[in-house]
Amino acid sequence: DTAVSQTPKYLVTQMGNDKSIKCEQNLGHDTMYWYKQDSKKFLKIMFSYNNKELIINETVPNRFSPKSPDKAHLNLHINSLELGDSAVYFCASSQALPGNGNTIYFGEGSWLTVV
Amino acid sequence: AQKVTQAQTEISVVEKEDVTLDCVYETRDTTYYLFWYKQPPSGELVFLIRRNSFDEQNEISGRYSWNFQKSTSSFNFTITASQVVDSAVYFCALSEAYTGRRALTFGSGTRLQVQP
Repeated sequence: DTAVSQTPKYLVTQMGNDKSIKCEQNLGHDTMYWYKQDSKKFLKIMFSYNNKELIINETVPNRFSPKSPDKAHLNLHINSLELGDSAVYFCASSQALPGNGNTIYFGEGSWLTVV
Repeated sequence: AQKVTQAQTEISVVEKEDVTLDCVYETRDTTYYLFWYKQPPSGELVFLIRRNSFDEQNEISGRYSWNFQKSTSSFNFTITASQVVDSAVYFCALSEAYTGRRALTFGSGTRLQVQP
């Protein structure tokens, strides 16, 4: 069973479209994240939810909106997609906040290409 | 502010060579955690190890070993007798117990190519 699963794995879409990436974890974790990996492989935190509460909202355009319907799910919706949004988006989860020493486990990534 | 530096962008070795991946971190917290992740060509991020700031014992797991030295703020990763399957991008990461406790900060990664 996949611990952190995200769909779709690959997404090619046109500029201006709206798209969503879904994420689910079956680890019973309280904290979930979205990370973005750019073309140079740099990984940067976008959002984090702890017990369904938004606790991190980095400098991300407000075209990106996370939604956490429950602790096991954290979806990412992107409006008006731009070329620069092309990246790999990783969903992740941890038992609690990483500052408590909790390990973050990642999904397999969603490759988004905007054309 | 927390920061992780992986100065080696890319390393290429021949199979069976030993290789060390460097990681240097900056933090103001006295309690923090260090991690290594592996990203193989298939793209997923695989957790390798977690270390807390109070445990400076080196760790060995098969061909992998980690050397944590607080005096030099380093957490280096050595692969002994490298294999082609070790080819991947390796990331070092840091979380702080207080200041930056809410997320991991990653280094820029080191791409390791192991040639047969």
